[in-house]
Amino acid sequence: GAVVSQHPSWVICKSGTSVKIECRSLDFQATTMFWYRQFPKQSLMLMATSNEGSKATYEQGVEKDKFLINHASLTLSTLTVTSAHPEDSSFYICSAILAGVAFGQETQYFGPGTRLLVL
Amino acid sequence: SQKIEQNSEALNIQEGKTATLTCNYTNYSPAYLQWYRQDPGRGPVFLLLIRENEKEKRKERLKVTFDTTLKQSLFHITASQPADSATYLCALDQSYNTDKLIFGTGTRLQVFP
Repeated sequence: GAVVSQHPSWVICKSGTSVKIECRSLDFQATTMFWYRQFPKQSLMLMATSNEGSKATYEQGVEKDKFLINHASLTLSTLTVTSAHPEDSSFYICSAILAGVAFGQETQYFGPGTRLLVL
Repeated sequence: SQKIEQNSEALNIQEGKTATLTCNYTNYSPAYLQWYRQDPGRGPVFLLLIRENEKEKRKERLKVTFDTTLKQSLFHITASQPADSATYLCALDQSYNTDKLIFGTGTRLQVFP
């Protein structure tokens, strides 16, 4: 099946620094990738939709200047948490959709997640 | 906005029994509903999708039902095994037939020998 990887799997950083998380589709091309955030014992919350070659669209309440998303190729999207603070500590998960698949298909593949801890 | 309700209490069942998990939504009828499995510290893994015009779908030991009148989906695992222990998430299209998903908080299933 389709595989999505994330790097790093976990990261610890100091408050005020920026952290970049990569999401890669390993064996397929993805025109659309999604970024989610999950706090302990809570559901996944969609943060933004990343489309190859265009600007990301952010969900209501998500600061686009704080969570920079770049989707430079059909296999790579990056999320940069700028000036991270302890409240940004969370589990960040990306997912990818196969290029060319119509809406509502079941081909959304999730990465293993990145655990971010901001001290 | 759409809200999804899953039983937040863990479901504990004995190996070999059928586990039944519930997903209720409160607002509009979705074009489709999905079930995922999530293990601790891992991303969700897709299990099944059922569309609004389908009442039941099966995949090996898994069965999903979709009742748009009750606004409810049931997820069944037959002949459950300890390896089935995980959190099971229900997800709907955020708005009709979009790829954006809204997730429930999940139900933790524990299958004991």
